[in-house]
Amino acid sequence: NAGVTQTPKFQVLKTGQSMTLQCAQDMNHEYMSWYRQDPGMGLRLIHYSVGAGITDQGEVPNGYNVSRSTTEDFPLRLLSAAPSQTSVYFCASSYSWEGQPQHFGDGTRLSIL
Amino acid sequence: SQQGEEDPQALSIQEGENATMNCSYKTSINNLQWYRQNSGRGLVHLILIRSNEREKHSGRLRVTLDTSKKSSSLLITASRAADTASYFCANNAGNMLTFGGGTRLMVKP
Repeated sequence: NAGVTQTPKFQVLKTGQSMTLQCAQDMNHEYMSWYRQDPGMGLRLIHYSVGAGITDQGEVPNGYNVSRSTTEDFPLRLLSAAPSQTSVYFCASSYSWEGQPQHFGDGTRLSIL
Repeated sequence: SQQGEEDPQALSIQEGENATMNCSYKTSINNLQWYRQNSGRGLVHLILIRSNEREKHSGRLRVTLDTSKKSSSLLITASRAADTASYFCANNAGNMLTFGGGTRLMVKP
């Protein structure tokens, strides 16, 4: 039981490049979400999904796309990387939405030059 | 932003002392959750308190919730060096979980 797995752990991109951050969970959780954490700050919600085929925007969705074709996977796509997207990205999942603790991955540290 | 605020931003105590962190939020909530983050790692869930609860305990952790003041507190008793970490509150309203800015706790041996 691996929990929530994020890949890659580190990535450096040039401005304008695109990439996909991968997130997979093996707990059969319905709810998955993506957050970004900037230095010295809490987490801000980018996008979330309440089940396969259903996604919605969080607090800071601009510049990011998501899809949820399976229960297990919830990839985050950066369409055209900008220096302002330099951050640590965390994926989380839970069995259902309300009243459930979130299980977090260890994060992807992304630098945009 | 709907982020709440945590107080203090940083706290340094000696091993064995108690640590208290406070959290305020802005909207009505379904529940409030506390998480710990060790340096370079993801967040780990500590405790969840529902809007109709006023106090909850888990081991050395005690959480209180005052919905009239839109505030919560986390008390860690008899702290240990291993408790050194950042602690975040997160309020659950609607379909989203909104995090505060966190309290950085250092417990000195």
